[in-house]
Amino acid sequence: EPEVTQTPSHQVTQMGQEVILRCVPISNHLYFYWYRQILGQKVEFLVSFYNNEISEKSEIFDDQFSVERPDGSNFTLKIRSTKLEDSAMYFCASSEGSEELFFGEGSRLTVL
Amino acid sequence: GENVEQHPSTLSVQEGDSAVIKCTYSDSASNYFPWYKQELGKRPQLIIDIRSNVGEKKDQRIAVTLNKTAKHFSLHITETQPEDSAVYFCAAIFSGGYNKLIFGAGTRLAVHP
Repeated sequence: EPEVTQTPSHQVTQMGQEVILRCVPISNHLYFYWYRQILGQKVEFLVSFYNNEISEKSEIFDDQFSVERPDGSNFTLKIRSTKLEDSAMYFCASSEGSEELFFGEGSRLTVL
Repeated sequence: GENVEQHPSTLSVQEGDSAVIKCTYSDSASNYFPWYKQELGKRPQLIIDIRSNVGEKKDQRIAVTLNKTAKHFSLHITETQPEDSAVYFCAAIFSGGYNKLIFGAGTRLAVHP
C-alpha cells in the first residue's frame, strides 16, 4: 500500500539554525499538507499546498516557515531560524482530492 | 471561525463497555468529518469518516453519528478492548477555497482489562 514517507525521523538542532524536513507524498496525490503536534497536544494545521503554491496557511506559519516542491516527488518544510517552541512532531500529509488525508510517520524536531 | 471542540479530554472504561466521544464544530465547516486514532509516538490513522449526506455510519465496533443542525458528531466504540486504548481526534474539513482539516483537542481513551 502506498504511503507518505518523511525524513528525518528525528532531528536535533541548535536554536537559530535552519532545518529542512522532507516528505514524499503518495504519487498520484495532488494536495500536500504540513501539520505540527507539540508533545501531548493536538495536531495543528500549518499549511496546505496545491498546484505548486500555498493554498491555505495558519497563523503559526509565519515568515520563518516556507514550503517547496523542488521536484516531482519531494515536498519540504523549511524553518529558517528555529526557536525552542518549534520543538514538536511535524507530520506531512497528502490527499488525492478533497477529503481523506494520509499522514506520514512524522519528523520529531528537538530544538536545544 | 474554524474550530472543533472535543469532549471528554480523557475517558476511562472497562473492557467490554462502550465509549462515546463528542465533537462540535463552528459554522464554516464543510461536509466531511473524519476520526483519527493515534497511538503513542505514531501517526494519526483514519478509523472512520462521515459525510454530511448521512446521519450515521458503522464499521464493525465503531460508529459515527452526525447532527448537522446541531453541528455535532460523535464516535461510538462498542465492546471496547485494551488495544482500543489510544488518543482519538475528531476533525472537520474547512474548505475556504481549499482543504483545511482542523482537529479537535483529542480524547485519551484508556480501556482497562
